[in-house]
Amino acid sequence: QVQLVESGGGVVQPGGSLRLSCAASGFTFSGYGMHWVRQAPGKGLEWVTLIWYDGSKKYYADSVKGRFTISRDNSKNTLSLQMNSLRVEDTAVYYCVRWNGDTAYDGWGQGTLVTVSS
Amino acid sequence: EVVMTQSPATLSVSPGERATLSCRASQSVSSKLAWYQQKPGQAPRLLIYGASTRATGIPPRFSGSGSGTEFTLTISSLQSEDFALYYCHQYNDWPPLTFGGGTKVEIK
Repeated sequence: QVQLVESGGGVVQPGGSLRLSCAASGFTFSGYGMHWVRQAPGKGLEWVTLIWYDGSKKYYADSVKGRFTISRDNSKNTLSLQMNSLRVEDTAVYYCVRWNGDTAYDGWGQGTLVTVSS
Repeated sequence: EVVMTQSPATLSVSPGERATLSCRASQSVSSKLAWYQQKPGQAPRLLIYGASTRATGIPPRFSGSGSGTEFTLTISSLQSEDFALYYCHQYNDWPPLTFGGGTKVEIK
């Protein structure tokens, strides 16, 4: 079955950087677009970024554009999110999510918590 | 950006009763509408996609309907494990992909 395991979360100061990773298994990783979705404490879900199945296209929410970079390594079944210039408002649980254009988000990781605080 | 509005914010229902959750889109999203269930401390889980198709393993008491801008998630007879947060999500017009603010289904 679809398994997505995020890592790399932690506490970082405003202006700092963090790199999240997501290890995928149980499906053909190179055949799916992948997204990051976040959820601030006690808040709803917010789409962050997506990458095409082959890495050829990437899209970002306005709130993270120019600061976050999504990437993937299909040879290692790994999705990454490089987060720079972090802000307090980036504090959230970040979920790695499998995307299917017909069935939406049909696989979620357990999430990794990013806390931006001085 | 397509704005998704869910109502009510909180729904109080007794076990065994029917729950009806609503989701409205600011413009047509065709049938590209999904519903997710989230329990405390857990990741969301896909319930419904394509507005009305149950995801794998989802029991038939969950049903979705609607198209265009008005959508409904119905839980025909609430079980104890159904008390949770529910989000709608449009994936027709992006970026950005957008979610509703959620409906909390609580025990009456």
